[in-house]
Amino acid sequence: GENVEQHPSTLSVQEGDSAVIKCTYSDSASNYFPWYKQELGKRPQLIIDIRSNVGEKKDQRIAVTLNKTAKHFSLHITETQPEDSAVYFCAASIDFGNEKLTFGTGTRLTIIP
Amino acid sequence: GAVVSQHPSWVICKSGTSVKIECRSLDFQATTMFWYRQFPKQSLMLMATSNEGSKATYEQGVEKDKFLINHASLTLSTLTVTSAHPEDSSFYICSARDSTGGNTIYFGEGSWLTVV
Repeated sequence: GENVEQHPSTLSVQEGDSAVIKCTYSDSASNYFPWYKQELGKRPQLIIDIRSNVGEKKDQRIAVTLNKTAKHFSLHITETQPEDSAVYFCAASIDFGNEKLTFGTGTRLTIIP
Repeated sequence: GAVVSQHPSWVICKSGTSVKIECRSLDFQATTMFWYRQFPKQSLMLMATSNEGSKATYEQGVEKDKFLINHASLTLSTLTVTSAHPEDSSFYICSARDSTGGNTIYFGEGSWLTVV
């Protein structure tokens, strides 16, 4: 089955700087890669996703890049703000039918004011 | 985006009793829902895939007789923790795939279960 590794487990950046979180996956059949933000005790919220027919996707301060050959994808947050502090999870799935998401282990991002 | 509602948001029960958690897709039909368990500061662990009108598919190591899943309609799946014990205390969260909305998976609010 799919295995998703995520690094780093914790990340602290100064407000205004950029943050990068990286994930690798093992199943070459996976073609859907969402990123979720989870605040303490709350539901994961989808912040951006990418499918394997594109290499990069951007939404304001958030971008995701995908390298299918190397089987890794990354989340980039620019101009970080205190409200970006949360746990971020990457995930991988086959984008079809009942296929499940396999999650990474999470990255606790702390923005230092 | 689509809405998935989970109820109750928190529950306290006595050891040996059973607790039912509901997961509803409010504005889309979900043939498949997923149940996760999350321990503090850890990732989401998939427990089972809930299939409408058929048996759930459980992940390895998850006791199907203890965590009963029923997906009786296209908008409702339930997880029943039977004969609960303190070690079952956890954050349980469901998700559903919106197959008509780009196949995006949305999560419920989660349910905090405390067994005393």
